[in-house]
Amino acid sequence: GNSVTQMEGPVTLSEEAFLTINCTYTATGYPSLFWYVQYPGEGLQLLLKATKADDKGSNKGFEATYRKETTSFHLEKGSVQVSDSAVYFCALSPNSGGGADGLTFGKGTHLIIQP
Amino acid sequence: KAGVTQTPRYLIKTRGQQVTLSCSPISGHRSVSWYQQTPGQGLQFLFEYFSETQRNKGNFPGRFSGRQFSNSRSEMNVSTLELGDSALYLCASSLEVGGRTGELFFGEGSRLTVL
Repeated sequence: GNSVTQMEGPVTLSEEAFLTINCTYTATGYPSLFWYVQYPGEGLQLLLKATKADDKGSNKGFEATYRKETTSFHLEKGSVQVSDSAVYFCALSPNSGGGADGLTFGKGTHLIIQP
Repeated sequence: KAGVTQTPRYLIKTRGQQVTLSCSPISGHRSVSWYQQTPGQGLQFLFEYFSETQRNKGNFPGRFSGRQFSNSRSEMNVSTLELGDSALYLCASSLEVGGRTGELFFGEGSRLTVL
């Protein structure tokens, strides 16, 4: 079946540090890949997505590139801020083209940014 | 516009009881998905409804059920509660069947504690 693996953390960084959160996946075919973010006290929200190999998703200074050869979708940001403190979830959609199979999520990475 | 609304936000039940959770999607969204979030298993797909029809179901026992009404509001029910059902239950809505785009809009969840 489909699965997503990501570092769980917590990951603690200083403000303005470079961020990488690793995400690798197992899926048949060509899934779509996503990063969701959950800020304290809020629901999950889509951060960025990529629907085919070599696509780069970007939003709010975050980027992730769909690497089919390494089955990875690592999240990066050049300079993090305290407001980036949240839980980040990597997810995939099987893109079966038929009915909905639901998203498969990683277990989430808790990111803490210290001033 | 208003986001996804879930009620109740918190509830406590005892083993053997049943519970019904409600979700009102974003206006115009016809798809509603349900996910269970626990520290051990992370986010797991329960089921998705679109236009009052269940489109897919995750790997959960038959004690977990749901329905969707003509106004797209959805309810999920868990019967004969077990301690392991304690979790945050998340509802997500989308314009179309969620698995195709992955762009889901999540509510803040209903936190169920089973004693």
